[in-house]
Amino acid sequence: QSVLTQPPSASGTPGQRVTISCSGSRSNIGSNTVDWYQQLPGMAPKLLIHSNDERPSGVPDRFSGSKSGTSASLAISGLRSEDEADYYCAAWDDSLHGYVFGTGTKVTVL
Amino acid sequence: EVQLLESGGGLVQPGGSLRVSCAVSGFTFTNYGMSWIRQAPGKGLEWVSRISDSGGSTYYADSVEGRFTISRDNSKNTLWLQMNSLRAEDTAVYFCARRDGYPGYFQHWGQGTLVSVSS
Repeated sequence: QSVLTQPPSASGTPGQRVTISCSGSRSNIGSNTVDWYQQLPGMAPKLLIHSNDERPSGVPDRFSGSKSGTSASLAISGLRSEDEADYYCAAWDDSLHGYVFGTGTKVTVL
Repeated sequence: EVQLLESGGGLVQPGGSLRVSCAVSGFTFTNYGMSWIRQAPGKGLEWVSRISDSGGSTYYADSVEGRFTISRDNSKNTLWLQMNSLRAEDTAVYFCARRDGYPGYFQHWGQGTLVSVSS
């Protein structure tokens, strides 16, 4: 069972801005940084954001992350058709001594 | 180029055992902690286990504690996950991933290997 809670779905038209929330607790998001992954069907997850708001090389600046307290969010601006995928937040959990993922959000481009 | 290649997945009966492997190349294996992460069909991602760069420290998700064992051979650039007492709910694609930074994130993943537990 996922420890981090995300909305099951989000959608927008091309060019719009979409935001995905991720809610955790003091032992995970409240104590550690948050990462975000994008997963296309049949593929391995791809790291989009690490350490709350850092983009790995090659990730477009349309993707941005933020964290406040025990919650985090991922924003996708200038939505494109290729952004249609599943998105997961994640963080280390000090109580569980493991890495916990969010429930996942399916983004649909209308 | 960093590469991780899993192998060893397959069909196994409930209660059976299976060992999956992850062969890595393109980086100094001894410098990185590693993890196994799984994804049941149509479900989300679940972290399974991690091992330190030396292999001296290991941690497991509660769902596999006591049944799964993670290990590595730094001379062979290989990571393993020994899975015993397998259950239907262990059916998933198993990914190996390299831990980067602190406290750690996963930028490099393998393509995954499917483990199916069924009679």
